[in-house]
Amino acid sequence: DVKVTQSSRYLVKRTGEKVFLECVQDMDHENMFWYRQDPGLGLRLIYFSYDVKMKEKGDIPEGYSVSREKKERFSLILESASTNQTSMYLCASRNNYEQYFGPGTRLTVT
Amino acid sequence: RKEVEQDPGPFNVPEGATVAFNCTYSNSASQSFFWYRQDCRKEPKLLMSVYSSGNEDGRFTAQLNRASQYISLLIRDSKLSDSATYLCVVNRGNFNKFYFGSGTKLNVKP
Repeated sequence: DVKVTQSSRYLVKRTGEKVFLECVQDMDHENMFWYRQDPGLGLRLIYFSYDVKMKEKGDIPEGYSVSREKKERFSLILESASTNQTSMYLCASRNNYEQYFGPGTRLTVT
Repeated sequence: RKEVEQDPGPFNVPEGATVAFNCTYSNSASQSFFWYRQDCRKEPKLLMSVYSSGNEDGRFTAQLNRASQYISLLIRDSKLSDSATYLCVVNRGNFNKFYFGSGTKLNVKP
């Protein structure tokens, strides 16, 4: 069974803080993704990675960066959190066409 | 214009009913199509892929109409456990960029 875990289910941060969201998958998948999910907007791709140290911007990369130092781990970094980054963040890894999602991190920036 | 559009619902149906959702996509270059299911406060999970000839999985039938650029999902004999949000997902052939609709909420009532 594929397992994707995320470091926190709920997180509250202040405006301007640096925020790290961690994601780990245990199935040796090469491709990993970070999305945010907002009501009425669906899931939107922030960044994806197709190999260690390789990354590509998704549709809404502004204000975010990522790191993939090991195959199983993909981190999302908010350099300076802002209130408009309050959202549900979902990590996924992909095997062929199927994406497997983590449970999500609900981030609130105050 | 959104890449993928869905009626947000909610669709409120009694147990045993047949219910259908549609989803339209804007890019004619789209090649792969999927339905994901997302339970309340949970992560999305793949329900089924959608093939050109249409496909069935138990009580679920998916259809694709390329000419009109829409995908449908039919659920027969609805169960209480079918209550969830159903996400339409489209891919243009690069399996690193998936476009998600904002979902259609289904409530099946006793």
